[in-house]
Amino acid sequence: NAGVMQNPRHLVRRRGQEARLRCSPMKGHSHVYWYRQLPEEGLKFMVYLQKENIIDESGMPKERFSAEFPKEGPSILRIQQVVRGDSAAYFCASSPLTDPHNYGYTFGSGTRLTVV
Amino acid sequence: AQTVTQSQPEMSVQEAETVTLSCTYDTSESDYYLFWYKQPPSRQMILVIRQEAYKQQNATENRFSVNFQKAAKSFSLKISDSQLGDAAMYFCAYRTATSGTYKYIFGTGTRLKVLA
Repeated sequence: NAGVMQNPRHLVRRRGQEARLRCSPMKGHSHVYWYRQLPEEGLKFMVYLQKENIIDESGMPKERFSAEFPKEGPSILRIQQVVRGDSAAYFCASSPLTDPHNYGYTFGSGTRLTVV
Repeated sequence: AQTVTQSQPEMSVQEAETVTLSCTYDTSESDYYLFWYKQPPSRQMILVIRQEAYKQQNATENRFSVNFQKAAKSFSLKISDSQLGDAAMYFCAYRTATSGTYKYIFGTGTRLKVLA
């Protein structure tokens, strides 16, 4: 059973371009969470999605950032018109429900976005 | 709002020795969960150990154990018989136990070096 798959592993974008980060949850998981890790910092919550629904996007920057989790296919975190401050590692985690037993989410290996 | 503090940016330990990583947190809640995650250079977030706040008994997982002091809001991680493969960033994380919640609050991490 494959874990949470994120791609690409590394992504380089020039300022002003768009970045698309993909996350395929574990098989059977219908809840996806995105976190961002700035250099030398811990992970910070961005958004929580279920299939075709955004449940909580309170951690998302107000502009340029969006996320979706369609009925079919991976979850996508999209950053438009990237700036240098967007350079970070973006992690995805998934769970079958909202981790009712609080075992701890399964995280992917992250996508490192570098804006040049 | 809850906060998690890891006051040791970096620690070193000799192979086969024991090391303790510190974590303190602040919360007004009485029921919550605490986690330690390991992040090796591969960037994968690996769950090391978890603790339910309502349990007085400290959690253990093989060479990893915690010292949970609820009144002091302290949650330290002890690694016994340290191995070279233990070298990584270690993050302490807090999560409320309120039903339906899902956000983790991470500390800034401690980089552990294991010396041969």
